[in-house]
Amino acid sequence: QQQVKQSPQSLIVQKGGISIINCAYENTAFDYFPWYQQFPGKGPALLIAIRPDVSEKKEGRFTISFNKSAKQFSLHIMDSQPGDSATYFCAASVEANFNKFYFGSGTKLNVKP
Amino acid sequence: DVKVTQSSRYLVKRTGEKVFLECVQDMDHENMFWYRQDPGLGLRLIYFSYDVKMKEKGDIPEGYSVSREKKERFSLILESASTNQTSMYLCASSSARQGREKLFFGSGTQLSVL
Repeated sequence: QQQVKQSPQSLIVQKGGISIINCAYENTAFDYFPWYQQFPGKGPALLIAIRPDVSEKKEGRFTISFNKSAKQFSLHIMDSQPGDSATYFCAASVEANFNKFYFGSGTKLNVKP
Repeated sequence: DVKVTQSSRYLVKRTGEKVFLECVQDMDHENMFWYRQDPGLGLRLIYFSYDVKMKEKGDIPEGYSVSREKKERFSLILESASTNQTSMYLCASSSARQGREKLFFGSGTQLSVL
């Protein structure tokens, strides 16, 4: 049983468009929600993260939107670029136990020039 | 920058073989992890270690064991490899102090068991 559900599995976006990836969770104890970005042949790397005391966090073209009541969070990539083509994983954890992260199934993003 | 190095990028083994996957980190991190990455399933935690000789089972430990004899090195052992262990294996590390919420991953070992 997957603790964090991620959609879509794959996404094709034109250059300059907005990419949106969604995640949902059930465990209300989760209080830290990171997104990891993985390029082919590389390991995942932390992209951006949010805690539930805010509804949105923005870093450059990347924004996390967080809806605590709906138990959902999403990654928005504005002005998507071909260099953003990668696999994105959402994850969730409890701050008291950062040894345990629950990852979504991943979204393969392809940004077409 | 933290570097997590996995000894092999690709590995091909036969069913029943004993397989060792090695991982070394250079940032004096207390925590080290082994994840398995499969399409459609994301990353699943096999084992983690929070100190030398200390280990805890993750979500899918069956068929695997680990060894951490030195702080910088964490090994994943497949005692008798099976075809359902064909997968991408990712090692990660994190600090137990500052920035402990951030995982640093190696580039992965793609293991094929024939």
